[in-house]
Amino acid sequence: DGGITQSPKYLFRKEGQNVTLSCEQNLNHDAMYWYRQDPGQGLRLIYYSQIVNDFQKGDIAEGYSVSREKKESFPLTVTSAQKNPTAFYLCASSIMPAVNYGYTFGSGTRLTVV
Amino acid sequence: DQQVKQNSPSLSVQEGRISILNCDYTNSMFDYFLWYKKYPAEGPTFLISISSIKDKNEDGRFTVFLNKSAKHLSLHIVPSQPGDSAVYFCAASVGGSARQLTFGSGTQLTVLP
Repeated sequence: DGGITQSPKYLFRKEGQNVTLSCEQNLNHDAMYWYRQDPGQGLRLIYYSQIVNDFQKGDIAEGYSVSREKKESFPLTVTSAQKNPTAFYLCASSIMPAVNYGYTFGSGTRLTVV
Repeated sequence: DQQVKQNSPSLSVQEGRISILNCDYTNSMFDYFLWYKKYPAEGPTFLISISSIKDKNEDGRFTVFLNKSAKHLSLHIVPSQPGDSAVYFCAASVGGSARQLTFGSGTQLTVLP
Protein backbone atom coordinates (compact mmCIF):
# COMPACT_ATOMS: atom_id res chain seq x y z
CA ASP A 1 0.00 0.00 0.00
CA GLY A 2 1.25 3.47 -0.81
CA GLY A 3 1.64 5.83 2.05
CA ILE A 4 3.80 8.03 4.18
CA THR A 5 5.57 6.64 7.24
CA GLN A 6 6.89 8.56 10.19
CA SER A 7 9.08 7.07 12.86
CA PRO A 8 9.33 6.83 15.73
CA LYS A 9 5.81 7.45 16.99
CA TYR A 10 7.10 8.71 20.35
CA LEU A 11 10.50 10.23 21.01
CA PHE A 12 12.08 11.52 24.17
CA ARG A 13 15.04 13.85 24.09
CA LYS A 14 17.25 15.29 26.75
CA GLU A 15 17.87 19.00 26.66
CA GLY A 16 20.90 19.86 24.56
CA GLN A 17 20.58 16.84 22.28
CA ASN A 18 19.81 16.78 18.59
CA VAL A 19 17.23 14.26 17.39
CA THR A 20 16.18 13.23 13.90
CA LEU A 21 12.63 12.37 12.91
CA SER A 22 12.19 10.07 9.95
CA CYS A 23 9.69 10.54 7.11
CA GLU A 24 9.45 8.17 4.15
CA GLN A 25 6.89 8.06 1.35
CA ASN A 26 6.30 5.60 -1.46
CA LEU A 27 3.66 7.67 -3.25
CA ASN A 28 6.12 9.05 -5.80
CA HIS A 29 5.22 12.53 -4.60
CA ASP A 30 7.53 15.36 -5.55
CA ALA A 31 6.93 17.64 -2.59
CA MET A 32 7.36 16.94 1.10
CA TYR A 33 6.61 19.07 4.15
CA TRP A 34 7.17 19.19 7.88
CA TYR A 35 4.58 20.72 10.20
CA ARG A 36 4.45 21.20 13.91
CA GLN A 37 1.26 21.06 15.94
CA ASP A 38 0.92 22.63 19.39
CA PRO A 39 -2.23 22.58 21.53
CA GLY A 40 -4.73 25.24 20.43
CA GLN A 41 -2.74 26.12 17.34
CA GLY A 42 -2.95 25.15 13.72
CA LEU A 43 -0.31 23.25 11.86
CA ARG A 44 2.72 25.46 11.36
CA LEU A 45 5.10 24.87 8.47
CA ILE A 46 8.72 24.18 9.41
CA TYR A 47 10.36 23.24 6.09
CA TYR A 48 9.27 22.06 2.68
CA SER A 49 10.94 20.55 -0.34
CA GLN A 50 9.66 20.52 -3.90
CA ILE A 51 12.50 18.56 -5.43
CA VAL A 52 15.45 16.42 -4.42
CA ASN A 53 18.43 18.34 -3.02
CA ASP A 54 16.37 21.49 -2.57
CA PHE A 55 14.31 22.75 0.36
CA GLN A 56 12.95 26.02 1.73
CA LYS A 57 12.28 27.38 5.18
CA GLY A 58 8.72 27.62 6.35
CA ASP A 59 7.29 29.90 9.01
CA ILE A 60 9.12 28.42 12.00
CA ALA A 61 12.40 26.97 10.68
CA GLU A 62 14.67 28.25 13.45
CA GLY A 63 16.25 25.39 15.39
CA TYR A 64 15.42 22.81 12.74
CA SER A 65 17.28 21.35 9.76
CA VAL A 66 16.29 19.02 6.92
CA SER A 67 17.78 17.14 4.00
CA ARG A 68 16.30 15.76 0.79
CA GLU A 69 18.84 13.38 -0.68
CA LYS A 70 16.21 11.01 -2.02
CA LYS A 71 12.73 11.66 -3.38
CA GLU A 72 11.25 9.25 -0.85
CA SER A 73 12.86 10.64 2.28
CA PHE A 74 12.72 13.97 4.12
CA PRO A 75 14.21 13.66 7.63
CA LEU A 76 13.85 16.49 10.13
CA THR A 77 16.52 17.22 12.74
CA VAL A 78 15.45 19.07 15.85
CA THR A 79 18.58 20.75 17.10
CA SER A 80 19.48 21.96 20.59
CA ALA A 81 18.89 25.50 19.29
CA GLN A 82 15.13 24.86 19.16
CA LYS A 83 13.94 26.48 22.38
CA ASN A 84 10.63 24.67 22.77
CA PRO A 85 10.78 21.40 20.84
CA THR A 86 8.09 19.46 22.69
CA ALA A 87 5.30 19.09 20.12
CA PHE A 88 3.57 16.78 17.68
CA TYR A 89 5.40 16.70 14.34
CA LEU A 90 3.66 15.86 11.09
CA CYS A 91 5.22 15.04 7.75
CA ALA A 92 3.24 15.36 4.54
CA SER A 93 3.73 14.88 0.84
CA SER A 94 1.98 15.97 -2.32
CA ILE A 95 2.13 15.90 -6.08
CA MET A 96 3.07 19.13 -7.79
CA PRO A 97 0.86 21.13 -7.91
CA ALA A 98 -1.11 19.79 -4.97
CA VAL A 99 -4.58 20.09 -6.41
CA ASN A 100 -7.81 18.56 -5.23
CA TYR A 101 -6.74 16.61 -2.20
CA GLY A 102 -3.84 18.67 -0.96
CA TYR A 103 -1.47 16.70 1.13
CA THR A 104 -1.12 13.16 2.40
CA PHE A 105 -0.03 13.14 6.01
CA GLY A 106 1.91 10.66 8.08
CA SER A 107 0.67 9.59 11.49
CA GLY A 108 3.04 11.91 13.32
CA THR A 109 5.84 11.81 15.89
CA ARG A 110 5.32 13.13 19.39
CA LEU A 111 8.57 14.60 20.68
CA THR A 112 9.01 15.26 24.38
CA VAL A 113 12.01 16.98 25.92
CA VAL A 114 12.86 15.60 29.35
CA ASP B 1 -1.20 37.16 12.19
CA GLN B 2 -3.37 34.13 11.53
CA GLN B 3 -4.53 34.09 7.94
CA VAL B 4 -6.94 31.21 8.54
CA LYS B 5 -9.05 31.30 11.68
CA GLN B 6 -11.32 28.78 13.30
CA ASN B 7 -12.82 30.72 16.16
CA SER B 8 -14.64 27.82 17.79
CA PRO B 9 -12.21 25.44 19.48
CA SER B 10 -14.97 22.95 20.19
CA LEU B 11 -18.49 22.00 19.13
CA SER B 12 -20.91 19.41 20.49
CA VAL B 13 -23.80 18.08 18.44
CA GLN B 14 -26.41 15.41 18.97
CA GLU B 15 -26.22 12.35 16.73
CA GLY B 16 -28.41 12.76 13.64
CA ARG B 17 -28.37 16.55 13.78
CA ILE B 18 -26.37 18.92 11.60
CA SER B 19 -22.81 19.94 12.49
CA ILE B 20 -21.62 23.29 11.16
CA LEU B 21 -17.94 24.12 11.41
CA ASN B 22 -16.81 27.60 10.47
CA CYS B 23 -13.61 29.08 9.09
CA ASP B 24 -12.63 32.65 8.24
CA TYR B 25 -9.67 33.83 6.22
CA THR B 26 -7.98 37.15 5.63
CA ASN B 27 -5.84 36.57 2.54
CA SER B 28 -7.88 37.41 -0.55
CA MET B 29 -5.30 35.58 -2.69
CA PHE B 30 -6.41 32.19 -1.36
CA ASP B 31 -8.06 30.31 -4.19
CA TYR B 32 -8.39 26.79 -2.87
CA PHE B 33 -9.78 25.58 0.42
CA LEU B 34 -9.71 22.19 2.08
CA TRP B 35 -11.04 20.51 5.17
CA TYR B 36 -9.09 17.83 7.00
CA LYS B 37 -10.22 15.52 9.77
CA LYS B 38 -7.84 14.39 12.49
CA TYR B 39 -8.15 11.69 15.12
CA PRO B 40 -5.86 11.73 18.18
CA ALA B 41 -2.30 10.54 17.54
CA GLU B 42 -2.94 10.31 13.81
CA GLY B 43 -2.17 12.54 10.86
CA PRO B 44 -4.95 14.62 9.28
CA THR B 45 -6.87 13.03 6.42
CA PHE B 46 -8.38 14.93 3.54
CA LEU B 47 -12.13 15.35 3.71
CA ILE B 48 -13.39 17.77 1.08
CA SER B 49 -12.18 20.77 -0.89
CA ILE B 50 -13.54 23.70 -2.84
CA SER B 51 -12.11 26.00 -5.48
CA SER B 52 -12.75 29.72 -5.27
CA ILE B 53 -14.69 29.57 -8.53
CA LYS B 54 -17.41 27.61 -6.73
CA ASP B 55 -19.59 28.43 -3.76
CA LYS B 56 -20.59 24.90 -2.82
CA ASN B 57 -19.17 21.41 -3.02
CA GLU B 58 -20.93 18.31 -1.79
CA ASP B 59 -19.66 14.81 -1.03
CA GLY B 60 -22.12 12.50 0.66
CA ARG B 61 -22.86 13.81 4.15
CA PHE B 62 -20.31 16.58 3.82
CA THR B 63 -20.90 19.94 2.14
CA VAL B 64 -18.55 22.90 2.07
CA PHE B 65 -19.86 26.40 1.42
CA LEU B 66 -17.66 29.30 0.38
CA ASN B 67 -18.64 32.96 0.73
CA LYS B 68 -15.83 34.90 -0.93
CA SER B 69 -17.20 38.33 -0.15
CA ALA B 70 -17.26 37.48 3.56
CA LYS B 71 -14.03 35.46 3.35
CA HIS B 72 -15.83 32.67 5.12
CA LEU B 73 -16.28 28.98 4.57
CA SER B 74 -18.21 26.37 6.45
CA LEU B 75 -18.40 22.62 6.59
CA HIS B 76 -21.81 21.01 7.09
CA ILE B 77 -22.12 17.41 8.20
CA VAL B 78 -25.59 15.94 7.88
CA PRO B 79 -26.52 13.73 9.63
CA SER B 80 -23.78 13.76 12.24
CA GLN B 81 -22.52 10.40 13.49
CA PRO B 82 -20.44 9.50 16.57
CA GLY B 83 -17.59 8.47 14.24
CA ASP B 84 -17.41 12.06 13.05
CA SER B 85 -16.00 13.07 16.42
CA ALA B 86 -12.55 14.44 15.60
CA VAL B 87 -10.63 17.67 15.15
CA TYR B 88 -11.44 19.42 11.90
CA PHE B 89 -8.89 21.69 10.28
CA CYS B 90 -9.65 24.24 7.64
CA ALA B 91 -6.79 24.95 5.20
CA ALA B 92 -6.27 27.38 2.35
CA SER B 93 -3.75 27.87 -0.42
CA VAL B 94 -2.73 30.28 -3.13
CA GLY B 95 -2.45 29.00 -6.68
CA GLY B 96 0.88 28.02 -8.07
CA SER B 97 3.07 24.96 -8.19
CA ALA B 98 4.06 25.06 -4.54
CA ARG B 99 0.54 25.39 -3.26
CA GLN B 100 1.49 25.45 0.40
CA LEU B 101 -1.37 25.03 2.78
CA THR B 102 -2.11 27.47 5.60
CA PHE B 103 -4.05 25.79 8.39
CA GLY B 104 -6.52 27.03 10.95
CA SER B 105 -6.22 26.02 14.61
CA GLY B 106 -8.88 23.33 14.38
CA THR B 107 -12.29 22.66 15.91
CA GLN B 108 -12.93 19.63 18.09
CA LEU B 109 -16.28 18.15 17.08
CA THR B 110 -18.00 15.82 19.51
CA VAL B 111 -21.08 13.98 18.30
CA LEU B 112 -23.12 12.75 21.23
CA PRO B 113 -25.04 9.47 20.88
